[in-house]
Amino acid sequence: AQSVAQPEDQVNVAEGNPLTVKCTYSVSGNPYLFWYVQYPNRGLQFLLKYITGDNLVKGSYGFEAEFNKSQTSFHLKKPSALVSDSALYFCAVRADTGRRALTFGSGTRLQVQP
Amino acid sequence: DARVTQTPRDKVTEMGQEVTMRCQPILGHNTVFWYRQTMMQGLELLAYFRNRAPLDDSGMPKDRFSAEMPDATLATLKIQPSEPRDSAVYFCASGLVFGQGPHNEQFFGPGTRLTVL
Repeated sequence: AQSVAQPEDQVNVAEGNPLTVKCTYSVSGNPYLFWYVQYPNRGLQFLLKYITGDNLVKGSYGFEAEFNKSQTSFHLKKPSALVSDSALYFCAVRADTGRRALTFGSGTRLQVQP
Repeated sequence: DARVTQTPRDKVTEMGQEVTMRCQPILGHNTVFWYRQTMMQGLELLAYFRNRAPLDDSGMPKDRFSAEMPDATLATLKIQPSEPRDSAVYFCASGLVFGQGPHNEQFFGPGTRLTVL
């Protein structure tokens, strides 16, 4: 079985400050890891993914994520938050074998204050 | 700009009625997913198809839900009879997946907001 935990329901950060949205995962085998963002009344949009290679992955809108195998984590980061980053963020995982569908975390609401 | 489209965007119906939601995946994508999103349960996978064949529908209540892909350009999710607890936003997503290789990202549609009274 595979699972994802996003321990924070909401993260608040001031505009211009760095942000981190946490994600830990559990899979059998090697993980494929993803971050998606959801704006109000919209579907999810892909931000970035880790398949293999460098542990630091860069994605859309200045976001990046760091894969840490020993801690089974894939935290989303951005050096300087924008008010427009306020949205719901989902971490997702699947193993490199077996079930092809992604398992999503419960989501973390990011609120960036001006 | 290729997008996943879903119809209807909003549906209000009464308990016991049949509901059909439609999805047009991005042309050329070989995998289609159906998700349901609620405040309580978050994002749940209901079913997914590869090359129009169902691969996994274990997340779907079998007695009332059914998912099909009559052709490569249309996926449907049907609820019969509908119940108030089915009220949710239903998302379709499509992607391109080859074998057991790296999983490419899924592209989500805007969703169908279903309200069952």
